[in-house]
Amino acid sequence: QKEVEQDPGPLSVPEGAIVSLNCTYSNSAFQYFMWYRQYSRKGPELLMYTYSSGNKEDGRFTAQVDKSSKYISLFIRDSQPSDSATYLCAMSPSGGSARQLTFGSGTQLTVLP
Amino acid sequence: DGGITQSPKYLFRKEGQNVTLSCEQNLNHDAMYWYRQDPGQGLRLIYYSQIVNDFQKGDIAEGYSVSREKKESFPLTVTSAQKNPTAFYLCASSMGQRNGYTFGSGTRLTVV
Repeated sequence: QKEVEQDPGPLSVPEGAIVSLNCTYSNSAFQYFMWYRQYSRKGPELLMYTYSSGNKEDGRFTAQVDKSSKYISLFIRDSQPSDSATYLCAMSPSGGSARQLTFGSGTQLTVLP
Repeated sequence: DGGITQSPKYLFRKEGQNVTLSCEQNLNHDAMYWYRQDPGQGLRLIYYSQIVNDFQKGDIAEGYSVSREKKESFPLTVTSAQKNPTAFYLCASSMGQRNGYTFGSGTRLTVV
């Protein structure tokens, strides 16, 4: 079993829809949780960053962390065609060495105009 | 602008040939990383370096080598010992795991 599981999709939604992207994990030591967006043939870019449990909002994006369920989510409101990309979750424990960022396999999202 | 530059964007390798992928950053980040990305498998760590002249193997280091002679540079050599090198290679850097990683735009390596 992988440490981080992410539904690969593909996920297609109409423009304006609310999108929910999710990851589950097994390592209870994870404390830092991130979402990266990766456009085709490009490197990932950091989208959202949260520490421990709770919600964080940035414009149309909301990141949620539920450590009791070992479950994180990224919500995209009023989705746009420009949101079409692969979304990767990533997480790491508190402290530890620099290598301990673990990525999900990514969910491919298409927002149809 | 600060960032990470990877070159070349596309690279073709013949069987039995070594090739070197370049990664340069001007972010003054201490740590640098190399990842391999294959369809459906996410990012897999090849090597990482936390300081100059020191680097550590990641999860899939076999067939790869790196050097870190300067803070700004972390080149990756794909050797002939790597049996399945066709993939998208990503370089990243960070000032510590709390700040997330900054990625380059990647190099797509194809064996011909």
